[in-house]
Amino acid sequence: AQKVTQAQTEISVVEKEDVTLDCVYETRDTTYYLFWYKQPPSGELVFLIRRNSFDEQNEISGRYSWNFQKSTSSFNFTITASQVVDSAVYFCALTNYGQNFVFGPGTRLSVLP
Amino acid sequence: EAQVTQNPRYLITVTGKKLTVTCSQNMNHEYMSWYRQDPGLGLRQIYYSMNVEVTDKGDVPEGYKVSRKEKRNFPLILESPSPNQTSLYFCASSLFLGQGSYEQYFGPGTRLTVT
Repeated sequence: AQKVTQAQTEISVVEKEDVTLDCVYETRDTTYYLFWYKQPPSGELVFLIRRNSFDEQNEISGRYSWNFQKSTSSFNFTITASQVVDSAVYFCALTNYGQNFVFGPGTRLSVLP
Repeated sequence: EAQVTQNPRYLITVTGKKLTVTCSQNMNHEYMSWYRQDPGLGLRQIYYSMNVEVTDKGDVPEGYKVSRKEKRNFPLILESPSPNQTSLYFCASSLFLGQGSYEQYFGPGTRLTVT
């Protein structure tokens, strides 16, 4: 069975601090996809990144970066110089070829001015 | 514009009154799915469909039905809603593009309250 764990239920930081959101996954599949989504207070799900299991390159997009490590089954997300607009719930998710899509419980990030 | 639409966006109903939440996508995606979101549990998959007339249960299918008669539509049916089905529901459609690429779109969500 597939599983995604986000151990941090809530994180609170002050603006301009860096923050890392942890994601640990479990799967028996050799081919799988990992995702991060942002859910702002308005409720919609905003896609942030997709990574397939064959691509362990870390990625940076502006203030966002992702660290994928198959050896520890982790796909952590770092926001550098956080801003108030980053306040949201962040979900990590895992799927094989779409037959079973599993989300973590989410981490609520509050960035205080 | 590529999109997934859901209707209604908000619904308050009473126990036992059958309801349908519609979902439609305009991207010709083969794969569609339904999720419910509850506090502390993230999103949990209810049902998914790999193509027309092909559906399968997700992690929490009890109390729900789906059908996929057309590629673009994937309605979620609650035959006899109960208060424990009060939740935020998301529809999604997706496509595997090959070579490790995967595209998924979520609808805006439907907030359902069953009293």
